[in-house]
Amino acid sequence: EVQLVQSGAEVRKPGESLRISCEVSGYSFTTHWIGWVRQMPGKGLEWMGIIYPFDSDTRYSPSFLGQVTLSVDKSITTAYLQWNSLKTSDTAMYYCARLVGSYYQGWFDSWGQGTLVTVSS
Amino acid sequence: QSVLTQPPSASGTPGQRVTISCSGPSFNIESSTVNWYQQFPGTAPKLLIYNNNRRPSGVPDRFSGSKSGTSASLAISGLQSEDEADYYCAAWDGSLRAFGGGTKLTVL
Repeated sequence: EVQLVQSGAEVRKPGESLRISCEVSGYSFTTHWIGWVRQMPGKGLEWMGIIYPFDSDTRYSPSFLGQVTLSVDKSITTAYLQWNSLKTSDTAMYYCARLVGSYYQGWFDSWGQGTLVTVSS
Repeated sequence: QSVLTQPPSASGTPGQRVTISCSGPSFNIESSTVNWYQQFPGTAPKLLIYNNNRRPSGVPDRFSGSKSGTSASLAISGLQSEDEADYYCAAWDGSLRAFGGGTKLTVL
């Protein structure tokens, strides 16, 4: 069974750094892109970016380029989403998901449970 | 603001057929596949339709997808109260895939 298990909720102050994780199991980690999706309170889904664990090829949506960093650790089949300096506007639920197919035509078939990030002074 | 446009809301009564549209420039919907996701409050989204009109295992055949030109549609026939949720389309936006703004479906 494909499973994506995300790390727990986080509360941080503006300017702080943060890394949240998405541990994957049930399939070969290096053969599918992993994507990250933001959902701000009461708002819709936003495609942040995707990473290919085999070679760490990463594609960012223009809105998120330079704002976050995606990475993976193949040894523990875990993907990460990182901020170097959080803003209050980063307060949101963040989902990781497995992409099936190409980054151009693919779809997210399995999702993590979400990690709530709250940034407040 | 997404390049994929969905109506913010839709509604129907039990048993009705409801359609939700997703439109965008020709470089996205016309030239790429469209997927649909369903999301209930407080839960992760779920894949409903992939490759324009394919249903994953376990998705009832009441749900169907179609695409024509620069527009795609999700149709729900035999509407049920448990279909009340948010629905999102996704397609290529020119640099990466993107979601539509979402449609809140209310079952009256």
